[in-house]
Amino acid sequence: DARVTQTPRHKVTEMGQEVTMRCQPILGHNTVFWYRQTMMQGLELLAYFRNRAPLDDSGMPKDRFSAEMPDATLATLKIQPSEPRDSAVYFCASGLHLTGNEQFFGPGTRLTVL
Amino acid sequence: AQSVAQPEDQVNVAEGNPLTVKCTYSVSGNPYLFWYVQYPNRGLQFLLKYITGDNLVKGSYGFEAEFNKSQTSFHLKKPSALVSDSALYFCAVRDKNTGGGNKLTFGTGTQLKVEL
Repeated sequence: DARVTQTPRHKVTEMGQEVTMRCQPILGHNTVFWYRQTMMQGLELLAYFRNRAPLDDSGMPKDRFSAEMPDATLATLKIQPSEPRDSAVYFCASGLHLTGNEQFFGPGTRLTVL
Repeated sequence: AQSVAQPEDQVNVAEGNPLTVKCTYSVSGNPYLFWYVQYPNRGLQFLLKYITGDNLVKGSYGFEAEFNKSQTSFHLKKPSALVSDSALYFCAVRDKNTGGGNKLTFGTGTQLKVEL
């Protein structure tokens, strides 16, 4: 049963520290998405990639967030420096770039910045 | 631009009764429509989608949804609710006519509570 995996599942850090979240998309999927979920803002799209190239990162604060895909099996989302307002659950999702295809979500990384 | 609205923050229903979770959408062209469910402390899980064809779409766990183009709606339904259906439900839309990936726009979610 193919699944999107994310590590770590939980992360508690102090303000100013660097945070790196990792995602392994489903093998063969060529689009990867990063979302952030909070009670106040709901589900927000931060960035997405197709064939490892960034297509849209307009939802991401550029000064502190960065997203990359070093290879087809790994996507990373970094926050440097982290702030308390970054506390949220971060989801990775993957899919096939064919119109109408659904996205498959990972279990999320719950980030708490103190 | 594409958008989706879920007008109800919460829906309460008794077990065994039918349930409806509402969704309306806005796209410039024709839509692809999706429903996802999120259980506590879990990621979103795909339930069903409308791409083309029959307006009534059947999905996982006995859920179905009806595409209504004139009302721009895609309401989620189930004939008989279970307590285990209690979760957060998201509607999502993608405009068929936009290029560049399969970026979805999600609604704000509707919390479904099924009580005994």
